[in-house]
Amino acid sequence: EPEVTQTPSHQVTQMGQEVILRCVPISNHLYFYWYRQILGQKVEFLVSFYNNEISEKSEIFDDQFSVERPDGSNFTLKIRSTKLEDSAMYFCASPKGASGGAQETQYFGPGTRLLVL
Amino acid sequence: EDQVTQSPEALRLQEGESSSLNCSYTVSGLRGLFWYRQDPGKGPEFLFTLYSAGEEKEKERLKATLTKKESFLHITAPKPEDSATYLCAVYPQGGSEKLVFGKGTKLTVNP
Repeated sequence: EPEVTQTPSHQVTQMGQEVILRCVPISNHLYFYWYRQILGQKVEFLVSFYNNEISEKSEIFDDQFSVERPDGSNFTLKIRSTKLEDSAMYFCASPKGASGGAQETQYFGPGTRLLVL
Repeated sequence: EDQVTQSPEALRLQEGESSSLNCSYTVSGLRGLFWYRQDPGKGPEFLFTLYSAGEEKEKERLKATLTKKESFLHITAPKPEDSATYLCAVYPQGGSEKLVFGKGTKLTVNP
């Protein structure tokens, strides 16, 4: 199965600090997605990113969040000023097919567990 | 609003005791339904994709089926290693690329 990787696996931060979560999606793919899962709750969509631009975002994805592609293979999710309620597992996901987008299966990374104190 | 509801929330089975998990969805249209397995502290692991009513997919002890309103994940003769949370997700109709997830069914298989 295609592999999506994420770093770090765990991150502990103080409220108000900035965090950067990293993802390496399936190679050479133009699409990727970020989701989060608060403990005991549903997996929730945050943002989709296509060809270096945000293509869709949820109401959760406010001005505190940003996504970037700093180089050819890595993607980042930045939370500028973390809040207690940002504590969650953050997953990135990537399709396998070259076209990506609608109806493509999304393959998830192992996640980053973020704890905001 | 697009919704995915999974039942039961938790299920305990004895090894070898077959059962089914349910995923019902309320969406404006369905472009695809996905089943994932999630182990504690891990990311969702893809199992199946279903696109149209009547479609069925199988993998080892698992079989997924789809109707116009719901999907079932049938587990035949489960083993303890099948213990996990099983997640259902849909792509609703329209241009959205986001997956809408249910809360999952936590399956425990006792030896």
